[in-house]
Amino acid sequence: DVKVTQSSRYLVKRTGEKVFLECVQDMDHENMFWYRQDPGLGLRLIYFSYDVKMKEKGDIPEGYSVSREKKERFSLILESASTNQTSMYLCASRYRDRGHVEQYFGPGTRLTVT
Amino acid sequence: GESVGLHLPTLSVQEGDNSIINCAYSNSASDYFIWYKQESGKGPQFIIDIRSNMDKRQGQRVTVLLNKTVKHLSLQIAATQPGDSAVYFCAEKDHGSSNTGKLIFGQGTTLQVKP
Repeated sequence: DVKVTQSSRYLVKRTGEKVFLECVQDMDHENMFWYRQDPGLGLRLIYFSYDVKMKEKGDIPEGYSVSREKKERFSLILESASTNQTSMYLCASRYRDRGHVEQYFGPGTRLTVT
Repeated sequence: GESVGLHLPTLSVQEGDNSIINCAYSNSASDYFIWYKQESGKGPQFIIDIRSNMDKRQGQRVTVLLNKTVKHLSLQIAATQPGDSAVYFCAEKDHGSSNTGKLIFGQGTTLQVKP
C-alpha cells in the first residue's frame, strides 16, 4: 500500500513565524504535490516537484516555497505565516509514468495562523 | 482555460437509495478523469477513474458515466450507506502538464446519508 505521511495533523502558529510542513512518501514516486483546501474552493495546487531539486509553481505559489532534497520528502515552507494561510494542507505523490495519473494523498495538516 | 465543477455543493440521500453526483468540465480535449472521496479528517482517496475512450466504468457499488458530447461526468453510488458520507471530488488531468501529472479538481460535493 502506498503511504503518504505528513509531519503534523494540527498546527497552530503565530503571524510572522516561519512554518515547515513535511511530507514523506514510501513508494519511490517521482512527482510530489502540495495543495491547500478551503471551503468552497476545492483543492488548489501550490507547488509541485517532478524530481529531486526540481520544482514548479502551481496556481497559488505566493507566500510559499518548497524544498525537495530527497526523493521521498517534499517540504512546504511558509516564510512568514499570515492569517490568510490558515487552511488544510494536503500533500500528494504519483509515479511519473504517464500510465499512472492517480495521485495518492496524505491525511492533511490543518494549520491555524493566529 | 480548463475548469472542473460540480453542480451541487451538498447532496442528501436516504440510506439504501442510489446517489448521483455530477461534474462538468470545460476542456473537450480532456482524456482522463478521476473521482476521489474525502472522509472527515482524512485526505482524498481514489474511488474510480475513466478514460475518454470509455462511456462507462463500474467498480464495487460505484459507476462513473462520461458524456463527452456535453462534457459531463457523474458518479453513481448504489445502495448508499452511512459510510459513504463524505466529500466527493472529480478531477481532470491537466492537458498542459505533459508528464507532471497535474490534476484539476472540482470544488467538491458533500454527500450526507440519512439513516
